[in-house]
Amino acid sequence: EIVMTQSPDTLSVSPGERATLSCRASQSVTSNLAWYQQKPGQAPRLLIYDASTRATGCPARFSGSGSGAEFTLTINSLQSEDFAVYYCQQYDKWPLRFGQGTKVEIK
Amino acid sequence: EVQLLESAGGLVQPGGSLRLSCVASGFTFSHYDMSWVRQAPGKGLEWVSAISDDATRTYYTGSVKGRFTISRDSSNNTLFLQMNSLRADDSAIYFCARHTDYFHYMDVWGTGTTVTVSS
Repeated sequence: EIVMTQSPDTLSVSPGERATLSCRASQSVTSNLAWYQQKPGQAPRLLIYDASTRATGCPARFSGSGSGAEFTLTINSLQSEDFAVYYCQQYDKWPLRFGQGTKVEIK
Repeated sequence: EVQLLESAGGLVQPGGSLRLSCVASGFTFSHYDMSWVRQAPGKGLEWVSAISDDATRTYYTGSVKGRFTISRDSSNNTLFLQMNSLRADDSAIYFCARHTDYFHYMDVWGTGTTVTVSS
């Protein structure tokens, strides 16, 4: 099984600043990685797929990078609506796996 | 509008059973692979089970194998999750989700339904 590890667990950022979230896989998942955003009481929302492709409706301030086993989600100029929990998910091999999540909170 | 709507979950005793359903609308359900994903209270997301568009392939996470069964009725645009031998650690919000391509990322999610396993 592939284990997905996100860091940090919590990231404190001021509005307008940049946030950098990391996701590491225990083995290569090539580019088969997605990022989701989840706000309290809501379902997850797809942001990025294939490691770097923004989903429909995802703002341009979100960008994904990486391949193999190391991935990054960058949020430029954080807006108030961006404070949420972010999950990475690999879909390269069964079982599908999510990282434990990174909470982006207001500093 | 593309939408997934889960049935009401509920409270069930340990060892009991429950069947969840998820009705799809706004897209051709029979063309898409589907999954169930759960989230225990205050915890992260956990993929539970998936089924292919033609229902010929099913997949499960280890902790539910032999206890949960995923199925679908494409004539009624409905996804199911039959949950047997329920345990306290199955308590969670259960989301149904639509995959793109071959079980790739999940681009449409239901709002979730709460299952509580407790005596």
